[in-house]
Formats: sequence, C-alpha cells, structure tokens
Amino acid sequence: DAGITQSPRHKVTETGTPVTLRCHQTENHRYMYWYRQDPGHGLRLIHYSYGVKDTDKGEVSDGYSVSRSKTEDFLLTLESATSSQTSVYFCAIRDRDNSPLHFGNGTRLTVT
Amino acid sequence: GENVEQHPSTLSVQEGDSAVIKCTYSDSASNYFPWYKQELGKGPQLIIDIRSNVGEKKDQRIAVTLNKTAKHFSLHITETQPEDSAVYFCAASTPRNQGGKLIFGQGTELSVKP
Repeated sequence: DAGITQSPRHKVTETGTPVTLRCHQTENHRYMYWYRQDPGHGLRLIHYSYGVKDTDKGEVSDGYSVSRSKTEDFLLTLESATSSQTSVYFCAIRDRDNSPLHFGNGTRLTVT
Repeated sequence: GENVEQHPSTLSVQEGDSAVIKCTYSDSASNYFPWYKQELGKGPQLIIDIRSNVGEKKDQRIAVTLNKTAKHFSLHITETQPEDSAVYFCAASTPRNQGGKLIFGQGTELSVKP
C-alpha cells in the first residue's frame, strides 16, 4: 500500500484516556492526511500536513491534535477519547498538489 | 469550504450492465477529482482521476466525466463484473494555495449480481 504503515491496526480504549495513532511512510511524500470513516459519512478529513511541522485542520478536527516532526511520521492524538471517536482511521499520503492520495489499511479504534 | 454530495448511496446491477455514480461539488476552485474503490477491510484505492482542464477520461471499462459549469462529475462502469462490487468514493480537491484539501463524498455501495 504505497509504503504506508498504520499502527496499531486495532485498539480498544476507555473513555477519557489519551490515544495516539501513528502513520509511517517510506515514500518521502510531502503531504500526509488523517481521515475517519463512519457509516453514512464517508471519509472525513481530521487534520493534514503539508510538510514537517506544518499542519492544518480539516472538517472534523475537534478533539484531535497532530504532530509531524519528521517527513515519514504523522501522529494523530486523541487527548481524551470519547465514544463518538469510535471509528476507522485512515492515513493517506501524496507527493504534490492534485496528485492521487494513497491510503494505509486503517486503524480500527473502539472507545468504550 | 468544499462540500461533495454523492448519489446513490447503494446501487445494485446485473452482471454485464452499466453502473453510474454521480457527484456534485460546491467550490468552483476545485480542480482535481479522483475516484476510489474500497474493498472490505482495506483502504480506498484510486481507480481513475480527472483534472479540471479535461471533460472526460476513460480507462478500459471505467470512465469519468466532468461538467465544471454545473459542478458535477460522474463515474461510469461498463460491462460490470462481480469483482466490481465494492464501495466507491468520489472526491474533490482544491489547490494548495486555496486550502489543498481533498474532500470525499459519502460513498456508494455497488453490488453486481451474477
């Protein structure tokens, strides 16, 4: 999958706990994205990055933060997980504007 | 910001028939329109894309059309096969200097019956 690794692949956590999801790429692509996928909503953009230390908010950024200290890693943090954040999270990368997005295989997060 | 609407949400066709999925977008600055196919348990995979300076693009059984004036674009699959069964997503992207976001439609679950 275009050299994208998401970890963990599955996680169950309790309400109120912090959670960090990791996306690692080996393609040296500039842009990285975090989406969540929920039935009836398709893929919704949480945050994205257009370079090291350059990030911006997407459609549904409340409750999430991100960090990109290296080109290859993009971290998504839920500071205090809530049940509404139960979802499948996808990381995606691309090398330039208006080029195809390549997705990882997702992380299934359950908040109990 | 950009908003993408996709229809229908589910589509069932007989093997060999054609399938059409339609999307509309709101931001006239959007200039890149990819289509993705997602199989169960996997991430979406790009199947075809089109840029705003082109009205139609074809790749074997798959074609995409774009009407910039009306702000809508469509995916056409001809001679459908059971392996075409999946969820399909359209998306619209604005240039980096105008946000650079890729916004997706809600998805269409296509079922091809043998």
